[in-house]
Amino acid sequence: RKEVEQDPGPFNVPEGATVAFNCTYSNSASQSFFWYRQDCRKEPKLLMSVYSSGNEDGRFTAQLNRASQYISLLIRDSKLSDSATYLCVVNLMNTGFQKLVFGTGTRLLVSP
Amino acid sequence: DAGVIQSPRHEVTEMGQEVTLRCKPISGHNSLFWYRQTMMRGLELLIYFNNNVPIDDSGMPEDRFSAKMPNASFSTLKIQPSEPRDSAVYFCASIPSGTGLVETQYFGPGTRLLVL
Repeated sequence: RKEVEQDPGPFNVPEGATVAFNCTYSNSASQSFFWYRQDCRKEPKLLMSVYSSGNEDGRFTAQLNRASQYISLLIRDSKLSDSATYLCVVNLMNTGFQKLVFGTGTRLLVSP
Repeated sequence: DAGVIQSPRHEVTEMGQEVTLRCKPISGHNSLFWYRQTMMRGLELLIYFNNNVPIDDSGMPEDRFSAKMPNASFSTLKIQPSEPRDSAVYFCASIPSGTGLVETQYFGPGTRLLVL
């Protein structure tokens, strides 16, 4: 079983739509959680951290459910520029140091 | 700030050849990571250096892969001999000194490797 699992998509949505991505992780010792964004043929970049209380950054809302080992990302009023791959990322504390474990990503395509 | 610099950006080689990928972290960053990204397996950590010392190399696939960091401004990832299954995008990332926050990694643009 993969440590971080995501639906690969693609999710095809029209501009203005609301779209949600889910992610599950297998290691209950995971320390912290993030969503990264990766544009086609580019490097990954941190989008936002995910907190148990839920957090919002503009049109983006992230949620964490530790009991279910489940992470979500909600994008409201989607824009063409939101088209990208969204990577769910878990931070594991491994033998005294931190290690990021990445999901394989969910691809989003926003169309006019 | 030039960001993390990787070279070459693209590499096409034949099976059995030696491949060397290079990375220059951002000045002042003391942690460096090498990752490999494929469609099937996503982004995987290969090796992590802190202050030029390898801390975790458990992700290095096998003896054909080796990595060095001779100084704070340069690292190499070598594959010898290369195989078609090594075809992937290889990313280097670095973290600013003192933050201790692994999520603050700055990724380089990656090296696209194709082994024929």
